[in-house]
Amino acid sequence: AQKVTQAQTEISVVEKEDVTLDCVYETRDTTYYLFWYKQPPSGELVFLIRRNSFDEQNEISGRYSWNFQKSTSSFNFTITASQVVDSAVYFCALSMDTGRRALTFGSGTRLQVQP
Amino acid sequence: ETGVTQTPRHLVMGMTNKKSLKCEQHLGHNAMYWYKQSAKKPLELMFVYNFKEQTENNSVPSRFSPECPNSSHLFLHLHTLQPEDSALYLCASSHGRDRVEAFFGQGTRLTVV
Repeated sequence: AQKVTQAQTEISVVEKEDVTLDCVYETRDTTYYLFWYKQPPSGELVFLIRRNSFDEQNEISGRYSWNFQKSTSSFNFTITASQVVDSAVYFCALSMDTGRRALTFGSGTRLQVQP
Repeated sequence: ETGVTQTPRHLVMGMTNKKSLKCEQHLGHNAMYWYKQSAKKPLELMFVYNFKEQTENNSVPSRFSPECPNSSHLFLHLHTLQPEDSALYLCASSHGRDRVEAFFGQGTRLTVV
């Protein structure tokens, strides 16, 4: 069985602060994929990143960075110098490498960035 | 280009009504999904279609009936729903092979009265 836990229900920061969203996962699969999605108020889930379980390199994309630690089953997401437009619900998700590719989602973290 | 389009965006229906949600993807993907997002639960997978064939039904009540006439279209037929079925219904698609990330539509906000 797969499980994704996002312990932070809601985070509020002031603009320009850095913020880290935590994600811990459980799976019995040896290979798998991890994802982060952003859900703005409009409702659509926007794909941010995919990470393969065999690639533990951290990734940076502009103000976004992701820290994958297989040893602790964590895939944390950091936003540097947050902006009001970053306000959204962020979901971490997990899928198998082969076979069932449907996503298992965490419960999401609501990020509010105050001006 | 709009990748995944869902219609309608909002729907209010009575418990005795029959309605359908529509999803269309323009990404050339082979897999399509229905997810349910309600206030009290995480995103829940409902159905999976691969190459038009249903490959997963996540114990969804029969009052929800999916249909996938081709790889680009997915429907969710609704009948005799309950108020607790009120939720955001999200459609998604993915390549189904090497590129596994799913792309989502904006969802249909369903209210059952």
